[in-house]
Amino acid sequence: AQTVTQSQPEMSVQEAETVTLSCTYDTSESDYYLFWYKQPPSRQMILVIRQEAYKQQNATENRFSVNFQKAAKSFSLKISDSQLGDAAMYFCAYRAFYTGANSKLTFGKGITLSVRP
Amino acid sequence: DAGVTQSPTHLIKTRGQQVTLRCSPKSGHDTVSWYQQALGQGPQFIFQYYEEEERQRGNFPDRFSGHQFPNYSSELNVNALLLGDSALYLCASTQYRGGGNQPQHFGDGTRLSIL
Repeated sequence: AQTVTQSQPEMSVQEAETVTLSCTYDTSESDYYLFWYKQPPSRQMILVIRQEAYKQQNATENRFSVNFQKAAKSFSLKISDSQLGDAAMYFCAYRAFYTGANSKLTFGKGITLSVRP
Repeated sequence: DAGVTQSPTHLIKTRGQQVTLRCSPKSGHDTVSWYQQALGQGPQFIFQYYEEEERQRGNFPDRFSGHQFPNYSSELNVNALLLGDSALYLCASTQYRGGGNQPQHFGDGTRLSIL
């Protein structure tokens, strides 16, 4: 079974600074998808960024980028120019490749990110 | 374009009771998944419905059951409620035959409290 580990329960960053959130996972598959979701106090899970394991290039979405290290099974999220609105709980998630979009998501325990003004 | 909608927003029940939670998927989506998120934890997969059938199931007891209707909306039923069932229940939708990297879209969840 696949597992996702987020070992840092909380992190804090100064507004406009850069922060990196860590995630490791375990799988025996060679192809899969990885996601970072953001959950603000409003509760809705919002997709931040996604990465296909078969792509070597790291995904980037505006201020958000990932460092995907397939051999190390590591998938960290870097947030640049942090904003107050980035404060939320962040979840790393894994999804199997072979069943596509209908595969279940396996989540880590999450990291609470606070942004200091 | 309506996103995933869930009802009710918040629900309070007592031990032993039964509860039904509802979900309408995002327009154009035909697959609904349910997740349980305990306080301070990541969501745990309960089950998924497509074409009115349960397609995948996580490690949850039979007290958790579901249904999908022809309009793709879904219900989650929990019988014989336990204190440990207190959690945020999230519904997510997607297209069954969509591209593999398309994300699941989540609703705002139903907060279930068991007294």
